[in-house]
Order: sequence, then C-alpha cells, then structure tokens
Amino acid sequence: DTGVSQNPRHKITKRGQNVTFRCDPISEHNRLYWYRQTLGQGPEFLTYFQNEAQLEKSRLLSDRFSAERPKGSFSTLEIQRTEQGDSAMYLCASSLAGGIGGELFFGEGSRLTVL
Amino acid sequence: AQKITQTQPGMFVQEKEAVTLDCTYDTSDPSYGLFWYKQPSSGEMIFLIYQGSYDQQNATEGRYSLNFQKARKSANLVISASQLGDSAMYFCAMREGVSGTYKYIFGTGTRLKVLA
Repeated sequence: DTGVSQNPRHKITKRGQNVTFRCDPISEHNRLYWYRQTLGQGPEFLTYFQNEAQLEKSRLLSDRFSAERPKGSFSTLEIQRTEQGDSAMYLCASSLAGGIGGELFFGEGSRLTVL
Repeated sequence: AQKITQTQPGMFVQEKEAVTLDCTYDTSDPSYGLFWYKQPSSGEMIFLIYQGSYDQQNATEGRYSLNFQKARKSANLVISASQLGDSAMYFCAMREGVSGTYKYIFGTGTRLKVLA
C-alpha cells in the first residue's frame, strides 16, 4: 500500500499562469477528494469523485478551477489564470465507498505560491 | 451554515495529563460519521478516531477516545496521558450519509501544545 501520492509538492508561479496538480489515490479507493487549506484553517472542500464521476463541486470554486479523474484512477486539479488568493495547500484524499464510515486517507499536499 | 464548530483555537496541557478538545456539529441527517484528524507541523493529516451516529458506545483508539453526546451534538476528543508528540493541530470532521452527499466537512481546528 503506497498511500496517496501528490505532485508536485511545491509550485511557485506568477499570477496569471496555469498550474496543474496530480493525485494518485490508494489503488482500491473509489472516492477521491480535493481540499484547499490555508494557514491556520481547516481543509476546505473543493470537489469529489466517485470513480470517474465528479459528484459534487463547491460553490466556492470559480470557473478557473477544474478537476478530472479519467478512468477513475488518478486525478488532476487545474487552476487557470492563477491569482494571489489561490496560494494555499491543495490536499488530495481518498476513501472506500460504502456506509458512513470510511476515513479519508490524505496525501502530503501540494503547496501553491502565486507571486 | 457552519456545520462543525471548534471553539478552542489553542490549548495547553502538561505532559502526562489528559486533555479534551471540543467539537460541536450540526446536521439534520440521521446518519452521519464524525472523525478526528491530527496535523503535525510537517503537514500530513493523520486519522485518529471515528464515531458513527448509530454507535451506542463511545469510540476509543489507544490513548484517544471520543466523548459522543448525540443530544448535545458534541463529539469531543479526549487524549489521555499526553505526550510531547501530541503537539499538533487537531481537526474535527463530519460526513453526512443519507442525504447522498459524501463530502467531509472540517472544523477550523485546535492547536494543542504539550508542555514538558
């Protein structure tokens, strides 16, 4: 079990550039989640997938954010035309579907800094 | 409306003492799960303990126990015999079930500092 893997771990970009983050979940997990976390705050829900279907997207997400999970395996989160307010840690997590249990397994996160 | 509330931004506890971290939640869903996570300064989120809404007994995992008071909608985390390595941010989270949405909502966290 290799755990949830995220890359890149750190990304520094200039305002206006596009960035893409990748998440590889635990192989047997069919649910995949993206969260954003700013300093001193809890993780903020962005979106989640069950297999390849994107089932929910936060209303806080602007149209500049898009996520995909082709074939129900890895997922990408793209931010277009980045703004300084996008600077945050982007966390990916996965879980097994079924019931109300099932803890989230988190990756180490991708830290974005927009200059 | 905020569904998870953690009212203690920071807490101190003496090593080897017990500490309670507060969490209240709000949901109209009869079926839900409550979770606690630890986030050390290194950043990774570590799952600690889970309580289901239908569980009759409070959950325990080693030195961690969850004081579940359903009528009060509270799910406090109790850490017994605190260790220096327990110093971290602690987040309470909830996942609703029956409503069909399976997203996990997190509180704002409590920073725990264990004193030697």
